[in-house]
Amino acid sequence: KQEVTQIPAALSVPEGENLVLNCSFTDSAIYNLQWFRQDPGKGLTSLLLIQSSQREQTSGRLNASLDKSSGRSTLYIAASQPGDSATYLCAAGGGNQFYFGTGTSLTVIP
Amino acid sequence: DAGVIQSPRHEVTEMGQEVTLRCKPISGHNSLFWYRQTMMRGLELLIYFNNNVPIDDSGMPEDRFSAKMPNASFSTLKIQPSEPRDSAVYFCASSPRGGSVGNTIYFGEGSWLTVV
Repeated sequence: KQEVTQIPAALSVPEGENLVLNCSFTDSAIYNLQWFRQDPGKGLTSLLLIQSSQREQTSGRLNASLDKSSGRSTLYIAASQPGDSATYLCAAGGGNQFYFGTGTSLTVIP
Repeated sequence: DAGVIQSPRHEVTEMGQEVTLRCKPISGHNSLFWYRQTMMRGLELLIYFNNNVPIDDSGMPEDRFSAKMPNASFSTLKIQPSEPRDSAVYFCASSPRGGSVGNTIYFGEGSWLTVV
């Protein structure tokens, strides 16, 4: 069974810093890897989707990379802002379902 | 599209009562997922449907939980009888074709359940 791990569980950075969130998965036979954002009291919103044949995807200040062979994905956030404070979850898609990590809670301090 | 719609948004009920959570997936999506989220265990997959058929219900905690999808536009998750440990946020999500190539998953806003 696919297992997805996210480290660290929580991260606090000052505004303006660049930061990296990590996601690892045990089974490389995935169709895609997605990053989600969850604000308190809300559902999950998809940020970036990387197909298994791709290496990275970018959206604005966000860049996600995928290395299937090592079972890793990273989410890079450039020039962090207080509005980026949220929980970030990654999910590996495969076998007709999605396997979620436990998330990284990010706080950006003004 | 209105997105995945869940009801109720919040429910407080007494132990032993029946709870029914409802979900309307995005039109045209043929995979539907029920997740439970708690601080202790994170996001857990309870059950998912493909073309209205339950594919994997191994995440359903016990016989007190049941889920149905009578048609492509409606699903229910029922807890009977409810217990305080069932208190959590229950998310419904849908996807065009599950976790296969190119597909993302769309979440509802969740149903916040408190059992006292």
